[in-house]
Amino acid sequence: DQQVKQNSPSLSVQEGRISILNCDYTNSMFDYFLWYKKYPAEGPTFLISISSIKDKNEDGRFTVFLNKSAKHLSLHIVPSQPGDSAVYFCAAKPYSGAGSYQLTFGKGTKLSVIP
Amino acid sequence: EPEVTQTPSHQVTQMGQEVILRCVPISNHLYFYWYRQILGQKVEFLVSFYNNEISEKSEIFDDQFSVERPDGSNFTLKIRSTKLEDSAMYFCASSSPGQGGNSPLHFGNGTRLTVT
Repeated sequence: DQQVKQNSPSLSVQEGRISILNCDYTNSMFDYFLWYKKYPAEGPTFLISISSIKDKNEDGRFTVFLNKSAKHLSLHIVPSQPGDSAVYFCAAKPYSGAGSYQLTFGKGTKLSVIP
Repeated sequence: EPEVTQTPSHQVTQMGQEVILRCVPISNHLYFYWYRQILGQKVEFLVSFYNNEISEKSEIFDDQFSVERPDGSNFTLKIRSTKLEDSAMYFCASSSPGQGGNSPLHFGNGTRLTVT
């Protein structure tokens, strides 16, 4: 059951360039999408989110794009920095009222930013 | 910045033993969660908790699991009789109300449970 798919297990990018991480989903009921970053031996750290009523959300170097018709979202990091090297998880939740937060996660993409 | 704290960071137990994993959520958050990640697999939802009761649980969260908020700050996950397949990283998370239910979860650093 892969309702949230991150098809690239790893990505290497040169420092200063753009990192683009992709995520596809199959459940039409998902209406809120999140990206988390995870370092080894730490918990997932929230990065940025987007509601299904938007197609873009930006926060500093991080931008998330949502294409509902394609059921696809992407995370852009510009410019990429060595400290961005981590595993990035895409997650999604269906609308089910306040306080319901059964997130479905992708398997993650390991980003390596090369100095 | 406020954070979710979990103890212990690593717990080793023998099969059949009871374990309690502890969490202190962010103080003004009202929704609490447990997720787990078996090595090499996805992060999976276990249970959500609000207003002193379980609001949602997954198929994984069977009768051997229970959660409790024993006081105003702690949130615990108990596994009554551990099995080898319970070995995983267990993450506690919390979120605040508002934004129509769309507020991000904040995770702790996890407890690595090893069942031998």
